[in-house]
Amino acid sequence: EAQVTQNPRYLITVTGKKLTVTCSQNMNHEYMSWYRQDPGLGLRQIYYSMNVEVTDKGDVPEGYKVSRKEKRNFPLILESPSPNQTSLYFCASSLYREGTGELFFGEGSRLTVL
Amino acid sequence: ELKVEQNPLFLSMQEGKNYTIYCNYSTTSDRLYWYRQDPGKSLESLFVLLSNGAVKQEGRLMASLDTKARLSTLHITAAVHDLSATYFCAVDLSGTSYGKLTFGQGTILTVHP
Repeated sequence: EAQVTQNPRYLITVTGKKLTVTCSQNMNHEYMSWYRQDPGLGLRQIYYSMNVEVTDKGDVPEGYKVSRKEKRNFPLILESPSPNQTSLYFCASSLYREGTGELFFGEGSRLTVL
Repeated sequence: ELKVEQNPLFLSMQEGKNYTIYCNYSTTSDRLYWYRQDPGKSLESLFVLLSNGAVKQEGRLMASLDTKARLSTLHITAAVHDLSATYFCAVDLSGTSYGKLTFGQGTILTVHP
């Protein structure tokens, strides 16, 4: 089954404790992206990657890091989480070379930083 | 600033009624997407509109795109309770086709008897 898989789905952590949210897709998509969703703000892009070893900042990259060492994986790293990073996070991917640019989303990871 | 704005943000409808959600965006694009999100769930793709004048229909939902007006509409016909969800439009404002989408704030739709 074609899917984007995120882990963990739920996480409560404390300020300053490094964490990683993993994202993996099995559709051989070149493009992957991370969004955060907050009430009233829609989805805002954090980082994106057009292919292996190619990443770039989105609209709200502060406090986040990413890496793209393999085509299927795109982890989101919070080196020193703060309470304002409490949010619902979505990973998404698309096949852009021959596709429509349509994004396929993971199930989401709800993060709470105390 | 690149913006995508939806109107209304909250919509309470009676079953059987018709209504339209509007999506305006701030710069030229010929790629627009509509997504649905149920509470606590992920985003599900509804429509992909890739050219001026594109119209897509699925059940009671119909989406259209006017690139000259920078406007897309999502029309709901004879609403039923199952349509209650949050609807997002998203626009490729990057000028590419790889899915760097900017999302609207979302429209929370509630359909009641």
